[in-house]
Amino acid sequence: ETVMTQSPDTLSVSPGERATLSCRASESVINNVAWYQQRPGQPPRLLIYAASSRATGVPARFSGSGSGTEFTLTITSLQSEDSAVYYCQQYNNWSFGQGTKVEIK
Amino acid sequence: QVQLVQSGAEVKKPGASVKVSCKASEFSSIGYYIHWVRQAPGQGLEWMGWINPNSGATHYAQNFQGRLTMTRDTSITTAYMDLSGLRVDDTAVYYCARVGEVTDALEIWGQGTMVTVSS
Repeated sequence: ETVMTQSPDTLSVSPGERATLSCRASESVINNVAWYQQRPGQPPRLLIYAASSRATGVPARFSGSGSGTEFTLTITSLQSEDSAVYYCQQYNNWSFGQGTKVEIK
Repeated sequence: QVQLVQSGAEVKKPGASVKVSCKASEFSSIGYYIHWVRQAPGQGLEWMGWINPNSGATHYAQNFQGRLTMTRDTSITTAYMDLSGLRVDDTAVYYCARVGEVTDALEIWGQGTMVTVSS
């Protein structure tokens, strides 16, 4: 099983600033990585697939990058509604990272 | 917009089984794999497995081998997740999710079903 490790566990960012979330795979997953946003009491929402493609309706301030074993989700100009837990997932053989909680300062 | 609607909350005793359903609002969803993901209270997401609604083929995570069965009824566009030998640590919200039209990532999610295992 491919292990996905996210960092940091918690990120506190002021409104309007940039948030950078990292995800490392224990082996190459090519670009088969997705990022999800989960707000309390809601199911996850797909943000990014294929490492860098935005899902339908996702604001342009969300972007993804990376390939192989290192991946990044960047949220530029953070807004209050971006407060959530973010998960990376590899869909080579299917596993999730442990999540990064983004808090608004 | 395709929707996945799951069955209601369940309370089970240890050792029992639970069967959760996931109904797609459109027949076109038959062509797209359905995955099941669970989330224990206050914890992260755990992938459980997938089913190909067309063929019925399944693939399960190693952690659930022998206890998990996924099935489908194409006539009513519904997928099922059956977990047996329930333990207290199986208490979680169980989600079904459908892959996207252009990606194998999970684009459409059900609302979740809370399964509580308690003596």
